[in-house]
Amino acid sequence: DGGITQSPKYLFRKEGQNVTLSCEQNLNHDAMYWYRQDPGQGLRLIYYSQIVNDFQKGDIAEGYSVSREKKESFPLTVTSAQKNPTAFYLCASSIGQISSPYEAFFGQGTRLTVV
Amino acid sequence: GESVGLHLPTLSVQEGDNSIINCAYSNSASDYFIWYKQESGKGPQFIIDIRSNMDKRQGQRVTVLLNKTVKHLSLQIAATQPGDSAVYFCAENRVTGRRALTFGSGTRLQVQP
Repeated sequence: DGGITQSPKYLFRKEGQNVTLSCEQNLNHDAMYWYRQDPGQGLRLIYYSQIVNDFQKGDIAEGYSVSREKKESFPLTVTSAQKNPTAFYLCASSIGQISSPYEAFFGQGTRLTVV
Repeated sequence: GESVGLHLPTLSVQEGDNSIINCAYSNSASDYFIWYKQESGKGPQFIIDIRSNMDKRQGQRVTVLLNKTVKHLSLQIAATQPGDSAVYFCAENRVTGRRALTFGSGTRLQVQP
């Protein structure tokens, strides 16, 4: 089945450690996105990539890094510089520019807990 | 900064009633809007979308209304069912600038049996 796969579903890390969240899509989409969601809140954009080997900062990029070496993969690294990393992280993809009829499809998320 | 927001954080309805979830946006350059449904612990699922050159679009049991004059978007769910209980987000995309969706804070819909 085509879709977006995020792994792992749950992730625990010690404070001060870097951690990388995986996002893979087999939809042949050009664009990929990372969002962060805190309890009871909406989604905030961390990074996005419209094409391989290119990516742009979103609203809350500080403390995060990404790479886009392959079309199907867009991993997110939460670094020790991120002051409050515990959150639900969502990856999405779209054919390209998000406009009708090209919506963004989401993965099932990774819940990161830093202890 | 410009953003998409929602009027009601929680909406409780009886099963079988119609639900209306509202959303306000502030960027007149927005040209595409999407409603997503998010169940607990899962990623958002696409419900319905609408372009800025339309004022109404219907799907199965759902209707989205767009009022560009007052920058208002609504999602109507007919004959609400327990399975509709979730958090609903509106999101916008803009012709110019950043090519990514901007989300509102969400409305939780609770369907009472």
